[in-house]
Amino acid sequence: GDSVTQMEGPVTLSEEAFLTINCTYTATGYPSLFWYVQYPGEGLQLLLKATKADDKGSNKGFEATYRKETTSFHLEKGSVQVSDSAVYFCALLYSGGGADGLTFGKGTHLIIQP
Amino acid sequence: KAGVTQTPRYLIKTRGQQVTLSCSPISGHRSVSWYQQTPGQGLQFLFEYFSETQRNKGNFPGRFSGRQFSNSRSEMNVSTLELGDSALYLCASSLRTSGSYNEQFFGPGTRLTVL
Repeated sequence: GDSVTQMEGPVTLSEEAFLTINCTYTATGYPSLFWYVQYPGEGLQLLLKATKADDKGSNKGFEATYRKETTSFHLEKGSVQVSDSAVYFCALLYSGGGADGLTFGKGTHLIIQP
Repeated sequence: KAGVTQTPRYLIKTRGQQVTLSCSPISGHRSVSWYQQTPGQGLQFLFEYFSETQRNKGNFPGRFSGRQFSNSRSEMNVSTLELGDSALYLCASSLRTSGSYNEQFFGPGTRLTVL
């Protein structure tokens, strides 16, 4: 079945450091890919998405490119802030009417130290 | 526009009891999906309701059930609770128009503790 693999962490960085969180997926078709963020005590917020190969999603300084050849969707940010501390989830979903729900990775706990 | 709301936010039950959780989607959204989040298994899809019908179901036992009302509000029920059902239950709503991706908007979740 479909699956998403990401580093679980915790990942600890200093403020203004460069961030990469790796995400790879296994899928039988051509899903859309997402990064969600979860702050303590809250639900999930969509951070960015890409719906086809070579698409780049971006939001709030975060970027990720849909790489079909390497089945990857790595999350990057050039300069992290303390406020970026959260848990980040990579996920996939098949578009169209027959959605089977998002398939999530285990989540990466990111800690940014001042 | 109000977001997805879930009630109650916290719940404590004992083994063997049953529980009902409620989710009100964003106005105009007709699809409601439920997810279970646990430290061990992560986020797992439970089921999706659209137009008062269950459209898709994840790999969970029959103790987990749900329904959707004509106003798109949804309830999730878990019968004969087990300790392993302790989790954060998240609800997500979307427009669910056919043939295109529909972003899912998540509520804050209901934290269920089974003692």
